[in-house]
Amino acid sequence: AQTVTQSQPEMSVQEAETVTLSCTYDTSESDYYLFWYKQPPSRQMILVIRQEAYKQQNATENRFSVNFQKAAKSFSLKISDSQLGDAAMYFCAYAPRDYKLSFGAGTTVTVRA
Amino acid sequence: ETGVTQTPRHLVMGMTNKKSLKCEQHLGHNAMYWYKQSAKKPLELMFVYNFKEQTENNSVPSRFSPECPNSSHLFLHLHTLQPEDSALYLCASSQDLAGAKPQHFGDGTRLSIL
Repeated sequence: AQTVTQSQPEMSVQEAETVTLSCTYDTSESDYYLFWYKQPPSRQMILVIRQEAYKQQNATENRFSVNFQKAAKSFSLKISDSQLGDAAMYFCAYAPRDYKLSFGAGTTVTVRA
Repeated sequence: ETGVTQTPRHLVMGMTNKKSLKCEQHLGHNAMYWYKQSAKKPLELMFVYNFKEQTENNSVPSRFSPECPNSSHLFLHLHTLQPEDSALYLCASSQDLAGAKPQHFGDGTRLSIL
């Protein structure tokens, strides 16, 4: 079974600063997908960024970028120029070629004004 | 407009009640999912439907009964629930079952069992 570990239950960042959320996963597959989802207080889970394991280039979406280290099975999320609207719980998720998403326990991000 | 709509947003019920959660997706997707989100725990996949056919039942107790009448609608029928069933229930949909296709989530139903 695949497992996803987020070792930081909570992170705090000053507005306009950068914060990095860690995620590690366990798998024996070589082809898979990794995701970061954001869940604000409104509860809707929103896709932030996606990474295909066969791509060495790290994915980027505006202020969000990942550091994907396949050999280390590490998939961290960097939020640059943090904004108040970034405050949410962030979930790392893994999916093999089929649909079975495995989620981490989440990291709560607080943004200080 | 989330694309995936869940009702009700909140539900309080006794252990002997029967209620249903509803999910509707407006994205033209073929796969739909039910997840359970409990505090301090990762999301747990409960059921998966693809083209209205159930493809996954992740050892969910029979007091939870899913129904998928068409690719756009998904229900979760509840009866004789237990206090430990109190949680946020999330519905999601995706274009198909390929891992590459991201899942789109609704706002969830917050369920409280008295």
